[in-house]
Amino acid sequence: GENVEQHPSTLSVQEGDSAVIKCTYSDSASNYFPWYKQELGKRPQLIIDIRSNVGEKKDQRIAVTLNKTAKHFSLHITETQPEDSAVYFCAANTPSGGTSYGKLTFGQGTILTVHP
Amino acid sequence: NAGVTQTPKFRVLKTGQSMTLLCAQDMNHEYMYWYRQDPGMGLRLIHYSVGEGTTAKGEVPDGYNVSRLKKQNFLLGLESAAPSQTSVYFCASSYSLGARTDTQYFGPGTRLTVL
Repeated sequence: GENVEQHPSTLSVQEGDSAVIKCTYSDSASNYFPWYKQELGKRPQLIIDIRSNVGEKKDQRIAVTLNKTAKHFSLHITETQPEDSAVYFCAANTPSGGTSYGKLTFGQGTILTVHP
Repeated sequence: NAGVTQTPKFRVLKTGQSMTLLCAQDMNHEYMYWYRQDPGMGLRLIHYSVGEGTTAKGEVPDGYNVSRLKKQNFLLGLESAAPSQTSVYFCASSYSLGARTDTQYFGPGTRLTVL
């Protein structure tokens, strides 16, 4: 099955700096890669996603890049703010049985702390 | 729209006790999932359902059972709780049409402690 590795496990930055979180996946059939943000005690919430036919996607201060050849994708947060502090999870969705449905496999998470 | 809701929010069980967690969604989603979240291990899929009356095993199904008798509800059961099942449980749901199938929306979670 799919295996998703996420690094680093913790990341500490100063407000205004950039933060980068990287994930690798094992199954070349994976075609959808979402990123979730989870604040303490809250549910995971989708912040950005990318599909395998796109190399980069940007939404204001966050962006995601995908390298299908190397089977890795990254989350980039620019001009970080204290409210960006949270746990971030990457995931990969592998289609099953010829349908678009697949199971999400999550990375282990990155605890991002943004210091004022 | 309430989105995805879960009942209860917290529960403490003794080893060997049973309980059922309820997940409900009002978005008319076909697909529903149960995950458990443990420190340092991300979210792991327990069971999932691609439609009313259907269920399938995920990554860590042992010790759990599920049922999807109604499209909007997905129940997770623990027949004989063990301390290893202490975790935070999240339910999620997603659309079934085209590219929107993949995006999963999560419930608020249930914190379960088994003593």
